[in-house]
Amino acid sequence: GEDVEQSLFLSVREGDSSVINCTYTDSSSTYLYWYKQEPGAGLQLLTYIFSNMDMKQDQRLTVLLNKKDKHLSLRIADTQTGDSAIYFCAESPNSGGGADGLTFGKGTHLIIQP
Amino acid sequence: EPEVTQTPSHQVTQMGQEVILRCVPISNHLYFYWYRQILGQKVEFLVSFYNNEISEKSEIFDDQFSVERPDGSNFTLKIRSTKLEDSAMYFCASSEYLQTDTIYFGEGSWLTVV
Repeated sequence: GEDVEQSLFLSVREGDSSVINCTYTDSSSTYLYWYKQEPGAGLQLLTYIFSNMDMKQDQRLTVLLNKKDKHLSLRIADTQTGDSAIYFCAESPNSGGGADGLTFGKGTHLIIQP
Repeated sequence: EPEVTQTPSHQVTQMGQEVILRCVPISNHLYFYWYRQILGQKVEFLVSFYNNEISEKSEIFDDQFSVERPDGSNFTLKIRSTKLEDSAMYFCASSEYLQTDTIYFGEGSWLTVV
């Protein structure tokens, strides 16, 4: 079945860029997502990319997609303390029919050092 | 900004009891979902719901689980005869379209079975 893998922790200094990586196995993925989960909160959709794109930029966020290697990354420029959270990579399989759910990775804990 | 709301935020129940988790999806959304996240594990898809019936369900969503849209606004997940391993955060989500680029999640209902 589909699988999504992420490293569990990333530690960066405040003001530096953070790069969170994700690999996935389903070559028919249609959409790939990044969600953010702050402590005690729900899953906040940060950004997404359609599989026919290789880059998407949204303010401080840059998503890069390497479809050949099935590799997705999220770059956060000028990382702030408010960016501390768990970041989940997720993919939506192209079932061609039913409303299949998203497949999530385990999440990457982003730790910001002052 | 419209949001998905869930109640209760936290519920403790005894093993064997029935639990109903409630969700109010975003008002113009047509597709509804339940996911769960066992502590320390991935967010897992349970079920999707459209046009008053289940569209897709995962292997986790067995006869112990049921979903219902009892009125025009609520979407519920019922867990019959809860087990210890049902302890998890349960997320409701909704989207406007099938295979959508934006699936919005609620803040979750934390269920503890004792």
